[in-house]
Amino acid sequence: DAGVIQSPRHEVTEMGQEVTLRCKPISGHDYLFWYRQTMMRGLELLIYFNNNVPIDDSGMPEDRFSAKMPNASFSTLKIQPSEPRDSAVYFCASTRNLQQSTDTQYFGPGTRLTVL
Amino acid sequence: GEDVEQSLFLSVREGDSSVINCTYTDSSSTYLYWYKQEPGAGLQLLTYIFSNMDMKQDQRLTVLLNKKDKHLSLRIADTQTGDSAIYFCAESLYNTDKLIFGTGTRLQVFP
Repeated sequence: DAGVIQSPRHEVTEMGQEVTLRCKPISGHDYLFWYRQTMMRGLELLIYFNNNVPIDDSGMPEDRFSAKMPNASFSTLKIQPSEPRDSAVYFCASTRNLQQSTDTQYFGPGTRLTVL
Repeated sequence: GEDVEQSLFLSVREGDSSVINCTYTDSSSTYLYWYKQEPGAGLQLLTYIFSNMDMKQDQRLTVLLNKKDKHLSLRIADTQTGDSAIYFCAESLYNTDKLIFGTGTRLQVFP
């Protein structure tokens, strides 16, 4: 398996522009997580899905952020409009079942977002 | 509430042992994990321990869990320059789907 795939790996955009981050989870994994990593806040869980359904979006910073999972093999995280404080590395992770020790979360390589 | 804390930095000489510490607050954790993040990469699972265990050894890695004090540690024997990375501890809570991550400890190994 290729692991969790994220695109793009790097994104530089200007304030006010729409940004879309993409994720392909590992095949057969029922859970998908979006995280944001910054120096100030560390690793924050933004939202996660189970079987394509959003379960907990309490970590989404504000209405500018939205996430979708139209099918089991694809998810997007959208920021509209983007702001400089959104600059961070965004990770996607997937897992089969967290209650089983070996089925822990597998992380993608991340998307480094810079908003100018 | 849930909170997982780690010291931010650790610097060790190559060949020495490294000990990275983590404290957590929620006693309902089921599994505790150690992840490694190398520069420019995502987090990678290193090892894990079930909450009813005290110790787990895996090659150069030793995990110690003190459930009474809610303290978790990761010992890396014979630390190498390739071990330089950020190490995150994380806990999974009973009956939830989320992992709670610590702040991460940046390990720097010097020759």
